[in-house]
Amino acid sequence: DTGVSQDPRHKITKRGQNVTFRCDPISEHNRLYWYRQTLGQGPEFLTYFQNEAQLEKSRLLSDRFSAERPKGSFSTLEIQRTEQGDSAMYLCASSLSGRPYEQYFGPGTRLTVT
Amino acid sequence: DQQVKQNSPSLSVQEGRISILNCDYTNSMFDYFLWYKKYPAEGPTFLISISSIKDKNEDGRFTVFLNKSAKHLSLHIVPSQPGDSAVYFCAVPGRSGGSNYKLTFGKGTLLTVNP
Repeated sequence: DTGVSQDPRHKITKRGQNVTFRCDPISEHNRLYWYRQTLGQGPEFLTYFQNEAQLEKSRLLSDRFSAERPKGSFSTLEIQRTEQGDSAMYLCASSLSGRPYEQYFGPGTRLTVT
Repeated sequence: DQQVKQNSPSLSVQEGRISILNCDYTNSMFDYFLWYKKYPAEGPTFLISISSIKDKNEDGRFTVFLNKSAKHLSLHIVPSQPGDSAVYFCAVPGRSGGSNYKLTFGKGTLLTVNP
């Protein structure tokens, strides 16, 4: 399977704990995006990488959130001191430079904070 | 402030008939419009796009129409099939003055095609 993969698919954590999600993009895609989707809403942009450089972060990405893409391959999204409001589906997507609008999404990581 | 609005949360049609999904946008500066489809437990999948310089783009059973004066686009699926049952999102890239790579999505319309 050469699509975008995300791990884990589900995560249940207690409020105050830290969590980390991983995304493996399509190998030839140099652009990688993180989105968050809550019930009844469309995906909302969080942050974007071109290769290893994080070029833009949404205001939704508070100081408790950090994302990395070492070596321009896989990416991680960490949430520190989780809150119940962080419960959502976290989606990763990747795209080619020449077709940035055609983004390929992974299946997402569903986070539940209790 | 929603930049793209999908005012119909759900739509139900009979197999073989036409499905029409609608989307309104607020900013006339958008240069591309996209439709994504999402099945349960999967991420969204790119379906079709249209450039702002066109008013129609067709791909098989899927056609997107753009009415710039009304700031409205629609997705037509003809004929509809049960496998088309999914949530459909319209999306635009970036926003005026911002990055053109991030997508802003509407809330989606759940399409159900009944056999």
